[in-house]
Amino acid sequence: RKEVEQDPGPFNVPEGATVAFNCTYSNSASQSFFWYRQDCRKEPKLLMSVYSSGNEDGRFTAQLNRASQYISLLIRDSKLSDSATYLCVVFTGGGNKLTFGTGTQLKVEL
Amino acid sequence: DAGVTQSPTHLIKTRGQHVTLRCSPISGHKSVSWYQQVLGQGPQFIFQYYEKEERGRGNFPDRFSARQFPNYSSELNVNALLLGDSALYLCASSSFVGEQYFGPGTRLTVT
Repeated sequence: RKEVEQDPGPFNVPEGATVAFNCTYSNSASQSFFWYRQDCRKEPKLLMSVYSSGNEDGRFTAQLNRASQYISLLIRDSKLSDSATYLCVVFTGGGNKLTFGTGTQLKVEL
Repeated sequence: DAGVTQSPTHLIKTRGQHVTLRCSPISGHKSVSWYQQVLGQGPQFIFQYYEKEERGRGNFPDRFSARQFPNYSSELNVNALLLGDSALYLCASSSFVGEQYFGPGTRLTVT
């Protein structure tokens, strides 16, 4: 089983739609959680950290369920500029490493 | 403020050669991590250095090595290159473990 699993997509949605991405992780000792965004042939950029209480940043909402080892990202009112690959990322203290999912591709269309 | 910088941006090598990739972290950041990203996959962790010491290592062969200098910049070395080493090599810096910021990467092609 992969340490971090995501649906690779692609998710093709119309502009203005709400879209949700899910991610599961296998290591119950994981400590911190993040969503990164990666544009084609560019480096990953931190989108937001994910907290147990859930957190929101503008049109983006992230949720963490530690009991189910599940992370989600909700994007409301999708824009063309949201088209990218969204990477679910888990930090585990042992080894001090970030473990990335394979990413979910989002395409927002007119 | 300058972000993470990496050099070179692109590199073409032949099998069996050696390569050195360089990274300068964000000013004030003492931790540098290296990742390998092949097409269609998420980045895979190679090494983490903090205060010039190796603090983490991923599942990569001994052909991969790294070091961190007193100014916190870092080098990744790969010996005896294989075709499968072709990838985007990413460097990330952080001021504390967890939240990391990536450089633009070095795209390595092995022929």
